[in-house]
Amino acid sequence: GAVVSQHPSRVICKSGTSVKIECRSLDFQATTMFWYRQFPKKSLMLMATSNEGSKATYEQGVEKDKFLINHASLTLSTLTVTSAHPEDSSFYICSASEEGFQETQYFGPGTRLLVL
Amino acid sequence: AQSVSQHNHHVILSEAASLELGCNYSYGGTVNLFWYVQYPGQHLQLLLKYFSGDPLVKGIKGFEAEFIKSKFSFNLRKPSVQWSDTAEYFCAVLFTGGGNKLTFGTGTQLKVEL
Repeated sequence: GAVVSQHPSRVICKSGTSVKIECRSLDFQATTMFWYRQFPKKSLMLMATSNEGSKATYEQGVEKDKFLINHASLTLSTLTVTSAHPEDSSFYICSASEEGFQETQYFGPGTRLLVL
Repeated sequence: AQSVSQHNHHVILSEAASLELGCNYSYGGTVNLFWYVQYPGQHLQLLLKYFSGDPLVKGIKGFEAEFIKSKFSFNLRKPSVQWSDTAEYFCAVLFTGGGNKLTFGTGTQLKVEL
């Protein structure tokens, strides 16, 4: 089946630093990748949608200068949390959809970010 | 705005009991419907999906869901749960014209006791 990986699985950083999270589709080409944020005991909140080779589309209320998304290839998207603050601490999850099957998303295992 | 509701936030069942988790959405147009499961410490996995056709959809691990258009519902069912079904279950809806963006319900935490 379609497998999506994320790296790192956990990261702790100091306030003010930047953190990069990678999302890879391992056995398929992902024309579209999505980035979600999951708060404790709450649902997934879509942050942005990225299509390979074009700028990401951010959801209302998500700061594009703070959460930089790059989708440089059909198998890799990155999310960079810039100038991280403690309130950015969260669980970040990516998903990817396969070219031609864009209605179905396959999810990565998530990255736990803790900003001190 | 389109929304997805899961009314059961926590469900506790004994093994072999039957399960039904509710999911309702607010939209009168065409939708694609999904149920995802998140086992403890694992990532979201697709249980089943409905795009069109037979409104009774069968998924993995004995789960099924029924799309009732008139009720805007897509309830998840399993006749006999197992301890290994302990997980969080998310209903998600893809609203047409929404650019393949999924809207998730708040999730239902299922605990199955031996």
